[in-house]
Amino acid sequence: NAGVMQNPRHLVRRRGQEARLRCSPMKGHSHVYWYRQLPEEGLKFMVYLQKENIIDESGMPKERFSAEFPKEGPSILRIQQVVRGDSAAYFCASSPLNSQETQYFGPGTRLLVL
Amino acid sequence: TQLLEQSPQFLSIQEGENLTVYCNSSSVFSSLQWYRQEPGEGPVLLVTVVTGGEVKKLKRLTFQFGDARKDSSLHITAAQPGDTGLYLCAGARGNNAGNMLTFGGGTRLMVKP
Repeated sequence: NAGVMQNPRHLVRRRGQEARLRCSPMKGHSHVYWYRQLPEEGLKFMVYLQKENIIDESGMPKERFSAEFPKEGPSILRIQQVVRGDSAAYFCASSPLNSQETQYFGPGTRLLVL
Repeated sequence: TQLLEQSPQFLSIQEGENLTVYCNSSSVFSSLQWYRQEPGEGPVLLVTVVTGGEVKKLKRLTFQFGDARKDSSLHITAAQPGDTGLYLCAGARGNNAGNMLTFGGGTRLMVKP
């Protein structure tokens, strides 16, 4: 089975541009989570989604950040008007329906804002 | 806000030594996961512990979940250079409170040959 896939692995944006990060969960997994790892800091939860639903977005910044997990296709984390402080590694994780606490992580997207 | 404190933050040992990494909280977790992360990669799941007092072994790695489900430990026997990496513990609170994981700050282990 393919693991959690994320693309791109690296993304460079200038301040004010938009960043779109994609995540395809493991086959058979219907729950997707996004985490952010700032330089020299631990992983912090951002948002938890099921197909077509946002379940918990308590870790998402109130502005410029949005996430979706459509019926078809990957989950998307979108950052509008990026700023230098958005530079971080963004990880997606997925879990199966019957074991939602065990999460499997993708390789991450490293975003660099110039 | 729940916090998971990991100790030590850094550990440098010689090949063949034993070590223990601790993960402590004042909050109860329904389960706790241990991950290992290599530079430039995502965390790789090592184990999930669910029951208070549970002990799981994975070759030279022994994981224990505290009786009160507030703390956990990872013990490595006869460490090898291949064990070098960042070890992360992460706690989950269960379905009723959401499924987000709260991560500890990590223990960076270096095993010298």
